Amino acid sequence: GAGVSQSPSNKVTEKGKDVELRCDPISGHTALYWYRQRLGQGLEFLIYFQGNSAPDKSGLPSDRFSAERTGESVSTLTIQRTQQEDSAVYLCASSQGLNDETQYFGPGTRLLVL
Amino acid sequence: SQQGEEDPQALSIQEGENATMNCSYKTSINNLQWYRQNSGRGLVHLILIRSNEREKHSGRLRVTLDTSKKSSSLLITASRAADTASYFCATDNQAGTALIFGKGTTLSVSS
Repeated sequence: GAGVSQSPSNKVTEKGKDVELRCDPISGHTALYWYRQRLGQGLEFLIYFQGNSAPDKSGLPSDRFSAERTGESVSTLTIQRTQQEDSAVYLCASSQGLNDETQYFGPGTRLLVL
Repeated sequence: SQQGEEDPQALSIQEGENATMNCSYKTSINNLQWYRQNSGRGLVHLILIRSNEREKHSGRLRVTLDTSKKSSSLLITASRAADTASYFCATDNQAGTALIFGKGTTLSVSS
């Protein structure tokens, strides 16, 4: 596709429910990143994929968060048993690889946990 | 933890004026990037400056980097209302696996 796409654009869920957020990176981009942005804050790194592997998961805030990537393409970020503090915009980015420092961001998914 | 810290947090100017935003960081870097974010959604890459560069230009944007002071500045000349956005600096983490962002500068340009 022309750019990174994410779905859904907005998600409202009840505390304790699980949510899945999807990211479609730019075709051919081997690197994929997930970030979280709380209101009025900068971006917090969550996880990095190179191909289908995640060599850096250091940013995942708890074991309720997990992510996978298949076909060196689509990635899904799953949050189990959501909490109110999980409310944020979740941003996905892709790049051509470690030698391409520029990351291309999707529009994000705004998650609200009630 | 956040590496970059932008200053000021908010900036309001009139169209045609120049806007200067600063960024400080803590550890050594390979490069520093500036991104723009409109309406709290996706970020757009503006410019990348490498650690061995001191200044870079792109259109109305001018970025400087002072590695001895661990700081960078972004200058937007002849600002327009469309420049209204939040601007973030980002540096690569030591593993090169992610960008570390500051909290951003919110720029408001009024006509």
